[in-house]
Amino acid sequence: GQQLNQSPQSMFIQEGEDVSMNCTSSSIFNTWLWYKQDPGEGPVLLIALYKAGELTSNGRLTAQFGITRKDSFLNISASIPSDVGIYFCAGLGSRLTFGEGTQLTVNP
Amino acid sequence: SQTIHQWPATLVQPVGSPLSLECTVEGTSNPNLYWYRQAAGRGLQLLFYSVGIGQISSEVPQNLSASRPQDRQFILSSKKLLLSDSGFYLCAWSALANEQFFGPGTRLTVL
Repeated sequence: GQQLNQSPQSMFIQEGEDVSMNCTSSSIFNTWLWYKQDPGEGPVLLIALYKAGELTSNGRLTAQFGITRKDSFLNISASIPSDVGIYFCAGLGSRLTFGEGTQLTVNP
Repeated sequence: SQTIHQWPATLVQPVGSPLSLECTVEGTSNPNLYWYRQAAGRGLQLLFYSVGIGQISSEVPQNLSASRPQDRQFILSSKKLLLSDSGFYLCAWSALANEQFFGPGTRLTVL
C-alpha cells in the first residue's frame, strides 16, 4: 500500500525561528494536504496542493507540491508559541494516506 | 457551511462494557465518512469508512464495528471494550474522495 515518510518526527525550536518539514512517498499523489492538530483536538486543514510544482501560502505557512508528485514540504516562518502542535501531511491518490506527524514545540 | 460533531467529548469505560460513539455532519449531503483512532497523540489509523447509508468498509480487524443508519450519521460501537481500545477517536467527512475534514474527537479511556 501507499506509505508516507514524514520528517522530522519532532522539532524543538525557539520563538521566531523558521521551521521546515517534509513528506516523501514511493507513490505518486494527485493532491497533497497539510493539517495541524492542537492538543486534544481534531486535525485542521491548513493548505491543499493540487498541481505538481504548486507553491501555496497561508499566512506564515508555505507549502509546495513536489515536481515529481512524490513529495511535499511545509515551511513556517517566524514561529510563535501557538504554532505548537502536530503537523500531518497527507497524500491523496486512490485514498488519503497520512504521514506519522511532526511534533513541533516552540520555546518562548 | 459544513460542520461535524462528535460526542461524547470524553468517556471513561470499564473493560467489558459496550461502546457507542456518534458522529454527525451538517451542511452537506452524501458525504464519505471515516473513523480514525489516534494513539499517544501521533499517527492516524483508519478504522472504517463509508460511502453511503449502510455501506461500511473495515480497514483493520478489531474489536470495533461501525454503522451508518442515516446519510449524515456515523456510529462506532463495541460490544465489549478492551484495554487496548483506549485512544483518541476521530470522525472525518469528505465530499467524494477529496480533502477530509475532522471532528473534535472523543477521548476514550478503558479501565
